[in-house]
Amino acid sequence: DVKVTQSSRYLVKRTGEKVFLECVQDMDHENMFWYRQDPGLGLRLIYFSYDVKMKEKGDIPEGYSVSREKKERFSLILESASTNQTSMYLCASSLWSSGVSYEQYFGPGTRLTVT
Amino acid sequence: KQEVTQIPAALSVPEGENLVLNCSFTDSAIYNLQWFRQDPGKGLTSLLLIQSSQREQTSGRLNASLDKSSGRSTLYIAASQPGDSATYLCAFYNQGGKLIFGQGTELSVKP
Repeated sequence: DVKVTQSSRYLVKRTGEKVFLECVQDMDHENMFWYRQDPGLGLRLIYFSYDVKMKEKGDIPEGYSVSREKKERFSLILESASTNQTSMYLCASSLWSSGVSYEQYFGPGTRLTVT
Repeated sequence: KQEVTQIPAALSVPEGENLVLNCSFTDSAIYNLQWFRQDPGKGLTSLLLIQSSQREQTSGRLNASLDKSSGRSTLYIAASQPGDSATYLCAFYNQGGKLIFGQGTELSVKP
């Protein structure tokens, strides 16, 4: 079974702190994704990566950056956390072959609260 | 703009009922469509993935259909149980491989 893990289930940080959210997948997937989920807004894509050291902006990249130094690990970075970044963060991974993106598998999520 | 609409937003049924959750999408050029389940405070669990060339998929008490021409998908749950209570999300893969999500249907199955 595909396994996607996230470093923390719950996280509380202060405004202005630098925050790292880590995601690891064990199925050698090329693609990795970061989403945030908010009531009434649904899931929104922040960033994604098609390969090591490659990244693409999603729909709401402002205030975030990402890092992918190894294929299995994709990090989401909040350079200076703000209260409007309080949210549920979900990581996902999928295969990529011949220009086709396959089924995404999701991690358990990290509930981040910024005070 | 590519959008997914799920109706109803919330549904409450007695245990044992058969039920249908609806999903409509604006882009007929979708690739695949996926149904997810989400329990409160948890991540997403994939239920069924329908390839763009398929019309339906079945897994146990779940059956999902896809009609690209009308822009609709349905998730049928047979003989509902209290353990089925969760939020159900519909999402389609667009040409770029991104997932476009609906807002979800919150299902409550009463014992």
